[in-house]
Amino acid sequence: GAVVSQHPSWVICKSGTSVKIECRSLDFQATTMFWYRQFPKQSLMLMATSNEGSKATYEQGVEKDKFLINHASLTLSTLTVTSAHPEDSSFYICSAPNRDGYNEKLFFGSGTQLSVL
Amino acid sequence: DQQVKQNSPSLSVQEGRISILNCDYTNSMFDYFLWYKKYPAEGPTFLISISSIKDKNEDGRFTVFLNKSAKHLSLHIVPSQPGDSAVYFCAANYWGSQGNLIFGKGTKLSVKP
Repeated sequence: GAVVSQHPSWVICKSGTSVKIECRSLDFQATTMFWYRQFPKQSLMLMATSNEGSKATYEQGVEKDKFLINHASLTLSTLTVTSAHPEDSSFYICSAPNRDGYNEKLFFGSGTQLSVL
Repeated sequence: DQQVKQNSPSLSVQEGRISILNCDYTNSMFDYFLWYKKYPAEGPTFLISISSIKDKNEDGRFTVFLNKSAKHLSLHIVPSQPGDSAVYFCAANYWGSQGNLIFGKGTKLSVKP
């Protein structure tokens, strides 16, 4: 099946610094990628939709200036958490859709656990 | 308003027995349903799906049942194995949603030897 690679898998940073997370589709092209955030014992919540060659679409309540998304190629999307604070500590997951017949299936990266001190 | 609900946060089952995970949805526009399995600190992996034109889909030990009138689906795992212990997410979308899935909160399954 399709493979989505996400790096880093784990990062600890100081409050006020920025962290970049990469999401790559390894064996297929993805004009769209999705970024989710999951807090403990909660569902995966969609943060934004990353569109290749155009601006990302953010969900309500997600700060565009804080969570910068760049989708510069058909296989790479990046999420930068700017000026991170402890409340940004969470599990961030990316996914990319790949069509399988009638429907698209989402293939997920392995996730990034962000801890902000 | 939660469109996809998994009301049981956890489930414990003995090895070899059947595991039944339930999921309810409220949006009648949904026409495609998926189950994902997730281990700690990993991304979800696709397990099985079902289209709204069917009421059952089977893949090895995993079977998903869909009851559209009740807006309910369930995942059956038979026989359950310790390696099945994980969090299972139910998800739904509809044609035209471009892959954007609506997830439930997940059910943590523990299969005891």
